[in-house]
Amino acid sequence: AQTVTQSQPEMSVQEAETVTLSCTYDTSESDYYLFWYKQPPSRQMILVIRQEAYKQQNATENRFSVNFQKAAKSFSLKISDSQLGDAAMYFCAFNQGGKLIFGQGTELSVKP
Amino acid sequence: EAGVVQSPRYKIIEKKQPVAFWCNPISGHNTLYWYLQNLGQGPELLIRYENEEAVDDSQLPKDRFSAERLKGVDSTLKIQPAELGDSAVYLCASSTTGFHEQYFGPGTRLTVT
Repeated sequence: AQTVTQSQPEMSVQEAETVTLSCTYDTSESDYYLFWYKQPPSRQMILVIRQEAYKQQNATENRFSVNFQKAAKSFSLKISDSQLGDAAMYFCAFNQGGKLIFGQGTELSVKP
Repeated sequence: EAGVVQSPRYKIIEKKQPVAFWCNPISGHNTLYWYLQNLGQGPELLIRYENEEAVDDSQLPKDRFSAERLKGVDSTLKIQPAELGDSAVYLCASSTTGFHEQYFGPGTRLTVT
């Protein structure tokens, strides 16, 4: 069965600094999608970034980028120039046949 | 473009009572999902619809949970009777066909007392 593991329950970063959130997954499939979602206290799950497994190039969205290592089944999220509004729970997710499998989440706090 | 709409945002009921949640997906999205999110955990899929058809309901506790998606647009998730362990956030999401990114609504926080 596919699983997603986020080994960092909590992370902290200073405003304007860079932070990396880790995610590993397990699958026997070769074609799939990976996502990072942000969930602030309002509970709204917001899509941050997505990566197609067949693409070697790492996805980037403004201050957010990923380091996708397919062989290692690793999918980390880097947030550059962290802002107070980045504070939230971050979930890594794997798309298995239309169903998103989520990790346990990493709670990110941003210190001013 | 309007996002996924859910109501109510909060619901408090006593155990053994029925409860229903409503979801309106993004216009044009054929696929609709209901997820359950327990405190401190990631969401878990309860049911997935392709238009009117439930194509994955393997995680839906069918003894007390039911769902419908009439006319392939809005959907309702019902619990009857509710148990204390059903206290959680119920999230609705939608996507276009093809299993790409899913867009979530704000969720309904259910408290069963």
